Amino acid sequence: SQTIHQWPATLVQPVGSPLSLECTVEGTSNPNLYWYRQAAGRGLQLLFYSVGIGQISSEVPQNLSASRPQDRQFILSSKKLLLSDSGFYLCAWSARPANEKLFFGSGTQLSVL
Amino acid sequence: RKEVEQDPGPFNVPEGATVAFNCTYSNSASQSFFWYRQDCRKEPKLLMSVYSSGNEDGRFTAQLNRASQYISLLIRDSKLSDSATYLCVVRSSASKIIFGSGTRLSIRP
Repeated sequence: SQTIHQWPATLVQPVGSPLSLECTVEGTSNPNLYWYRQAAGRGLQLLFYSVGIGQISSEVPQNLSASRPQDRQFILSSKKLLLSDSGFYLCAWSARPANEKLFFGSGTQLSVL
Repeated sequence: RKEVEQDPGPFNVPEGATVAFNCTYSNSASQSFFWYRQDCRKEPKLLMSVYSSGNEDGRFTAQLNRASQYISLLIRDSKLSDSATYLCVVRSSASKIIFGSGTRLSIRP
């Protein structure tokens, strides 16, 4: 069966520090991969999605970046965090060709202080 | 204009009531539509897909109006356990999946 791992579960970082959140998927090949962010009391904002290794589509230009070095690995990074980067970050995957269901990781609660 | 728009609520209704949520989307080429449910600070979970002919799953009914670019979710005989945030989700292209901002529902005894 397919599983998705996302870590860490919680993270407290000072402003200006770097960030690296990692997500891996098991039990499937060639998934579409997604990073979403949810600010407190708000909906999910699509940050990046990827249809293959090295293929990244950015929805929100900002100080975040994403990379997909392997088929089932998706990394969200920042060189210098801002206060506004605080939020709940969710990684998700869906099967290809297009399938309706998104499978989510358990999320990372990031607090930038 | 946001690609997917929902009434944020909150909706506060008594147990047993019927409640309806609406959602509109801007991309007429959108391919598929869903409702997800999210409990506080947890990952969203798929509630149901939305098909052109409308579909029902127990107390939940979803409808799609492509001409008006409108999706709805109806919950009948609401339970305390239905309290959550309901997210309208649109696949606007083969790979791009957009969430609405969510509608908060609170069921009171």
